[in-house]
Amino acid sequence: DAKTTQPTSMDCAEGRAANLPCNHSTISGNEYVYWYRQIHSQGPQYIIHGLKNNETNEMASLIITEDRKSSTLILPHATLRDTAVYYCIVRTYYNDYKLSFGAGTTVTVRA
Amino acid sequence: SQTIHQWPATLVQPVGSPLSLECTVEGTSNPNLYWYRQAAGRGLQLLFYSVGIGQISSEVPQNLSASRPQDRQFILSSKKLLLSDSGFYLCAWTPGGTTNEKLFFGSGTQLSVL
Repeated sequence: DAKTTQPTSMDCAEGRAANLPCNHSTISGNEYVYWYRQIHSQGPQYIIHGLKNNETNEMASLIITEDRKSSTLILPHATLRDTAVYYCIVRTYYNDYKLSFGAGTTVTVRA
Repeated sequence: SQTIHQWPATLVQPVGSPLSLECTVEGTSNPNLYWYRQAAGRGLQLLFYSVGIGQISSEVPQNLSASRPQDRQFILSSKKLLLSDSGFYLCAWTPGGTTNEKLFFGSGTQLSVL
C-alpha cells in the first residue's frame, strides 16, 4: 500500500472548519483513501473514504485532488470533541483488508 | 447491529507471566478479525489477522501468538511476557467478503508489563 505524509499536529478554533491535509504521491489507481481518528485511549473510528470523487457524510468531507496525489479531510464545524489523532491511509481493496496506521495528525480544537 | 467486545480494559502483568486477551464480535458471521498494538505515543501496528476459523496470519515476528477457535472469537496470547510487550492492544473486525469498507475497533486493552 502507498505511504502517506501528514503534518504532525495542528490547532483549530472551535466552531471553525478544520482542514487536514494528506499527501499520497505514490498512490496507484486501485487504492482508496481512508480517514480514521483516535480519541485518547479509545479505538480508532472510521470517518470517511473515497477513490477519486469527493465524498461527504455526517462527520466530514473528503476532497481528493484530480491527480489523486493528495487529499484534504474537512471537519466543517470543529468541536472540542473532535480533538484526536487523525490517520490518513491508502489501501487496495483487498478482501483481507490489512491497514497500516502511521503517526497521523494530532488535532487540538481550542475554545 | 454488530458489536465488538474486548476485555479486560486494563491489565498489569509481571515479566515472564502468560497473557490471554479475548475479543468477540456479535451480530455478524465470518468476519475478518485483527489484533493491533499501539506503543505509547506511536501509531498502530498490525500484529495478526484472520479470515476464518483456524486461519491466522502474522505480520511481525514477536513474543505473541493468536488463535481463532470460533468464528467470532479472536484470542491474543503469550507464554512469557516481556517488558516490550507493554502497550495498548486493539481488536478489530471487518465484514468478510468484498463489502469490507470499514474497520471497526474494540475499546482496547492497556497492558502494562512490570
